Amino acid sequence: GQSLEQPSEVTAVEGAIVQINCTYQTSGFYGLSWYQQHDGGAPTFLSYNGLDGLEETGRFSSFLSRSDSYGYLLLQELQMKDSASYFCAVSSGYSTLTFGKGTMLLVSP
Amino acid sequence: EAQVTQNPRYLITVTGKKLTVTCSQNMNHEYMSWYRQDPGLGLRQIYYSMNVEVTDKGDVPEGYKVSRKEKRNFPLILESPSPNQTSLYFCASSPTGTGHGYTFGSGTRLTVV
Repeated sequence: GQSLEQPSEVTAVEGAIVQINCTYQTSGFYGLSWYQQHDGGAPTFLSYNGLDGLEETGRFSSFLSRSDSYGYLLLQELQMKDSASYFCAVSSGYSTLTFGKGTMLLVSP
Repeated sequence: EAQVTQNPRYLITVTGKKLTVTCSQNMNHEYMSWYRQDPGLGLRQIYYSMNVEVTDKGDVPEGYKVSRKEKRNFPLILESPSPNQTSLYFCASSPTGTGHGYTFGSGTRLTVV
């Protein structure tokens, strides 16, 4: 089966940088993705890593090390609107996407 | 506008009364999935589909059925709902199936009493 570990909560201030880590165990691996969810709303796709290294999309970056079964999401220049839950998700096969339990990010002024 | 449409948004029903939650996407995606979200448990996959007439079980399929007769539609069926199926349900679609770029519907909050 698949399992993912990520911190349950992270706090930071506006303008800061925050890193959300994700470690996973999976049989078979296609990629690690990150999703953002505001308070019960629809999750929205942020980033995907299929290969080792860093992917950058605006203020958000995501990193993957397949040998360490580890990845992280880096959020820069934090804004109040970034307060949300962030989920890492691992794909072990086509359409079999397993999510972590989520990290709640609280951004304060 | 590219989107996944779920209906209804809210539903309160009684134990044992069959219900269907509809899901439709307008992006011509091959891959579609259903998830349930419960506090502290994250999103758990119920069923997925890789194309028309191709479906398979996810992590928590018990008590649910799905069908994929057309590419755009992927309804979730609860033949005999029970209170432990009270949850927030999301439908999602993707062009790749690898976790890259899933588009989620707005969710269906189901309460079974």
